[in-house]
Amino acid sequence: GAVVSQHPSWVICKSGTSVKIECRSLDFQATTMFWYRQFPKQSLMLMATSNEGSKATYEQGVEKDKFLINHASLTLSTLTVTSAHPEDSSFYICSARGDPNVEKLFFGSGTQLSVL
Amino acid sequence: RKEVEQDPGPFNVPEGATVAFNCTYSNSASQSFFWYRQDCRKEPKLLMSVYSSGNEDGRFTAQLNRASQYISLLIRDSKLSDSATYLCVVVPKGTYKYIFGTGTRLKVLA
Repeated sequence: GAVVSQHPSWVICKSGTSVKIECRSLDFQATTMFWYRQFPKQSLMLMATSNEGSKATYEQGVEKDKFLINHASLTLSTLTVTSAHPEDSSFYICSARGDPNVEKLFFGSGTQLSVL
Repeated sequence: RKEVEQDPGPFNVPEGATVAFNCTYSNSASQSFFWYRQDCRKEPKLLMSVYSSGNEDGRFTAQLNRASQYISLLIRDSKLSDSATYLCVVVPKGTYKYIFGTGTRLKVLA
C-alpha cells in the first residue's frame, strides 16, 4: 500500500523558534496533501489543504503566516510552525491523496510538538 | 453545532461484549463516510468505509442512515485489542476533505 513518511516523530523546542515538519509520499505522487492538528483528547482538526505548485488553502481560524505550508513537489509537503509558543504544542499529522479520482487518504505517522 | 459529532465515551465493556457507536453529521450533501481507529499518539488507521446498504468486515458492521444523517459502527465479540478511539469521517460533496468526528474511546476489559 501507499506509504507516507512524516518526520520528525517528535520535537521539543524553545518558545520563539520555528519548527519544520516534512511529509513525503514514498511510492506515489501526491496531488493534494492535508495537514491536521490534534490536541489531547480531541479529534483531528483540518488546518490546511495544499496542492502541488499552488498556495495552500487554510481553514477558518488557522493563521497562514504562522503555519507556513510548502508543497513544492508531488512527493513533498512541509509545514513550518513559525515562532512557536507553548499553545502550539500539539500532534500534527499530514495525509496525502494520489489518484485525483480516489478519495482514500494515506496518513503520515504524526509529529508530536512540545514547545517549552 | 459541530459538523461531525460523536459521544466521546469512554465505553468500558468486558471482553466478548457487543458495542455500538453512533456518529451524526450536519452536512446533508456529504458523499462519503468512513470509520477509523486511532491508538494513542498514532496516526488514524482506516477501519472500513460505510455504504448506504450497510457493510460488514468480520466482527465489524457499519451502517449509514442518510435520512437521519448518522452512521454507526457495531463491534461484536470485543477483544482487548479493540481498545482504541474510533473516529467517524465524513467527506463533503465536491471536496476531498476528511472531516473527523470528535472520536469515541473504547476500553475492552479483561
